[in-house]
Amino acid sequence: AQTVTQSQPEMSVQEAETVTLSCTYDTSESDYYLFWYKQPPSRQMILVIRQEAYKQQNATENRFSVNFQKAAKSFSLKISDSQLGDAAMYFCAYRSSYNNNDMRFGAGTRLTVKP
Amino acid sequence: NAGVMQNPRHLVRRRGQEARLRCSPVKGHSHVYWYRQLPEEGLKFMVYLQKENIIDESGMPKERFSAEFPKEGPSILRIQQVVRGDSAAYFCASSSTGQGDGYTFGSGTRLTVV
Repeated sequence: AQTVTQSQPEMSVQEAETVTLSCTYDTSESDYYLFWYKQPPSRQMILVIRQEAYKQQNATENRFSVNFQKAAKSFSLKISDSQLGDAAMYFCAYRSSYNNNDMRFGAGTRLTVKP
Repeated sequence: NAGVMQNPRHLVRRRGQEARLRCSPVKGHSHVYWYRQLPEEGLKFMVYLQKENIIDESGMPKERFSAEFPKEGPSILRIQQVVRGDSAAYFCASSSTGQGDGYTFGSGTRLTVV
């Protein structure tokens, strides 16, 4: 069974600085999708960025980028020029291409942004 | 264009009562997923439905829990005879194709059992 591990329960970053959130996963599949979701205090789950495993190029969305290392099964999220509004819980998630039912989530990393 | 709408946002039930959680997916989305989130934890898959069909309920307890997604109307997650351990946030998500796109999540229903 696929598992997703986020080893950092909490992280903090100074406003305007860069922070990297870690995520590793375990799978025997070769084709899958990886996601980072943001959950602010409002509880809304917001999709931040998405990566297809068959693509070698790392996904980028404005200030958010990933470092996808398929062999190492690592999928870290880098937030550049951090803003106060980035403060939230961040969840890494895995979704199989073979079984579309089930998106597996990590336990989350709480990011604090210091002014 | 509304996203996924869940109601109620907060629900308080006494032990033994029934809880009924509603989810209206994004217009045009035919795949609905329910997840449960305990405090300080990630989301745990419960059930996956398409219109009028349960596709995968492997994450849902066999007793007291049921889900439906009728041809007309919202998806319903029903919890009968609630217990304190059912207290959690329940999230609904929808997608259009179910083929690797990210889900659109609702804001969740926080169920408190007293």
